[in-house]
Amino acid sequence: QVQLQQSGPGLVKPSQTLSLTCAISGDSVSSNSVAWNWIRQSPSRGLEWLGRTYYRSKWYTEYAESVKSRSTINPDTSKNQFSLQLNSVTPEDTAVYYCARGDWNGALFVYWGQGTLVTVSS
Amino acid sequence: DIQMTQSPSTLSASVGDRVTITCRASQSISSWLAWYQQKPGKAPKLLIYKASSLESGVPSRFSGSGSGTEFTLTISSLQPDDFATYYCQQYNTRGTFGQGTKVEIK
Repeated sequence: QVQLQQSGPGLVKPSQTLSLTCAISGDSVSSNSVAWNWIRQSPSRGLEWLGRTYYRSKWYTEYAESVKSRSTINPDTSKNQFSLQLNSVTPEDTAVYYCARGDWNGALFVYWGQGTLVTVSS
Repeated sequence: DIQMTQSPSTLSASVGDRVTITCRASQSISSWLAWYQQKPGKAPKLLIYKASSLESGVPSRFSGSGSGTEFTLTISSLQPDDFATYYCQQYNTRGTFGQGTKVEIK
């Protein structure tokens, strides 16, 4: 059974960096048939896909245009996890952040993390 | 980017009612359409994938149909556990969600 366990701070100051980690059990971050995604949810933006990382003989990373310039998603094979860093946050980045495994073409979300409410406030 | 539009935004219904939610894609996505159910404080739960395939463990009162740009989710007989928010999602190109339909008690 695949399980995703998220960790990271729930409060980030404006202009600082949001950092979240998603630990994987029951699967491998290096699997060559799925992708590892970050998604966020807020009342103003709804459910918004942020980006993903996946391994197909080499590592690939893709980002949504809305956050591309300030996002980094990294796999960590030694700990079987992946992470999200979002720089220069503003109150607009306040949301519940989820990690999720993407099946089929990497974007069918069967397994989700528990969610982390991140508030951007001074 | 592919945009997904759901209707209605809110739906009031009673236990036993037949409920239909519509989702429209801004361009053809073939059958690469999923439906999720979300309850407060929880992550979305996959109900249907490839427009009409029922995820394992999901009750058969849920069904999906459509292809191209027009899709529907039907709950044949609404149960108390079904009051929740439902989202469509295209996975033809990355992933885009609809804005959600809240099914509330009438």
